[in-house]
Amino acid sequence: EADIYQTPRYLVIGTGKKITLECSQTMGHDKMYWYQQDPGMELHLIHYSYGVNSTEKGDLSSESTVSRIRTEHFPLTLESARPSHTSQYLCASTPTGRNSPLHFGNGTRLTVT
Amino acid sequence: AQSVTQLGSHVSVSEGALVLLRCNYSSSVPPYLFWYVQYPNQGLQLLLKYTSAATLVKGINGFEAEFKKSETSFHLTKPSAHMSDAAEYFCAVSERGTYKYIFGTGTRLKVLA
Repeated sequence: EADIYQTPRYLVIGTGKKITLECSQTMGHDKMYWYQQDPGMELHLIHYSYGVNSTEKGDLSSESTVSRIRTEHFPLTLESARPSHTSQYLCASTPTGRNSPLHFGNGTRLTVT
Repeated sequence: AQSVTQLGSHVSVSEGALVLLRCNYSSSVPPYLFWYVQYPNQGLQLLLKYTSAATLVKGINGFEAEFKKSETSFHLTKPSAHMSDAAEYFCAVSERGTYKYIFGTGTRLKVLA
C-alpha cells in the first residue's frame, strides 16, 4: 500500500494548457524526486529536492518546474503542455541516510493532444 | 558517470522454471544496489537491496540477488517462476555520497503456462 500519493492517475489535456501533477507523502521523507518513464527506457530524473525550499533540476532537460513548500508535498508544473510531454511521471521519496531505497507513487500518465 | 545495464529487455520462462534477470553496473566503487518490480499501471516496488552486509540478498516474493564485485554484477534470481511474477523489473544503483539513483532500462518478464 502506497504512502506516497500521486494525482491525477490519468490526464488527457490539450496543447498549451498549464497543468500541475500532485505528489504527497506521509512518511516524513526529506528527499523527493520526479522521474519521467517511457516504454523501454530507463527512468529519467527531472527534478529532486533535499527538503523544504530546496529544489534542483535533474539530468533530463525539462520544461517543468517544481516547488517544495512543505515536506510532504512536491508538485510538478508544466506551464504549457506539448505533445512531447506525453509520458508517465513517477514521484518518489526517501529518507536522508545511506542506502535508503526510493518509495514510489503509482504515477500519473499524461497525454497531451 | 555511473550506468546500469540490464541484458535482455524481454525474458520468457515457463511456470516453475528458474528466473534469471541480469544487471551490471559500471562503478569501480561498489554502489548501493536495488531491484524493483513494476506491475501494469503501478509505480515501482522495492524487491531487495544490497548494502554491503552480505553478498547474497533475499527479497520479497522468493527473489534473491547476488552481488559479485569481480563481475560488477547484481543478477536477480528466483528458483521457480509463478504466473504472478510477470511484470517489469528494474535494477538501480545509488552512488555513495550522492543523491542520484540510476536505473536500467528494465526487463519485462513473461511467464508461460
